Amino acid sequence: DAGVIQSPRHEVTEMGQEVTLRCKPISGHDYLFWYRQTMMRGLELLIYFNNNVPIDDSGMPEDRFSAKMPNASFSTLKIQPSEPRDSAVYFCASRNYLGLAGDEQFFGPGTRLTVL
Amino acid sequence: GQQLNQSPQSMFIQEGEDVSMNCTSSSIFNTWLWYKQDPGEGPVLLIALYKAGELTSNGRLTAQFGITRKDSFLNISASIPSDVGIYFCAGQYGANSKLTFGKGITLSVRP
Repeated sequence: DAGVIQSPRHEVTEMGQEVTLRCKPISGHDYLFWYRQTMMRGLELLIYFNNNVPIDDSGMPEDRFSAKMPNASFSTLKIQPSEPRDSAVYFCASRNYLGLAGDEQFFGPGTRLTVL
Repeated sequence: GQQLNQSPQSMFIQEGEDVSMNCTSSSIFNTWLWYKQDPGEGPVLLIALYKAGELTSNGRLTAQFGITRKDSFLNISASIPSDVGIYFCAGQYGANSKLTFGKGITLSVRP
């Protein structure tokens, strides 16, 4: 399996522009997570989906952020309009919940976003 | 909300030394996890702990789930250069709930 795939790996944009980050989870996984990582705040959960349905979006910072999962193999995280404080590494992760304790989330390589 | 505390932020050790990292929480968790992040990559799960008091090993790594369920530690023995990276602890309350991550400890290993 190719693992979780994210694109682009790097994105540089100007303030006010729309940014779309993409994620392809591991085939067969029924949970998908979007995280943001910064030096100041560490790794923060933004939103997660189960069977393509958003379960908890309480970590989404504000209305400028939106996420969709139109099917089991694709998700997007959109920022519109982008601001310099959105600069961070954004990770997508997926897992297959087997009803057991524990949580092996498999992370993608991340998208490094820089907003100028 | 729940917070996990990891300190210090950075650790510097000599190759061959053992190192121990601690993670504490203000609230209890039912699962503790330790992840490692290499530069330019996403975190990778090292060890998962499911019961209070549990001690689990994975090669040179050993982790323990604290009795109070509010802490965990990770020990790396005989460190090698490829142990360099950021080590995160994460806690989970319910089997199907989200993870809470600590801010991570950056480990440097001097040859």
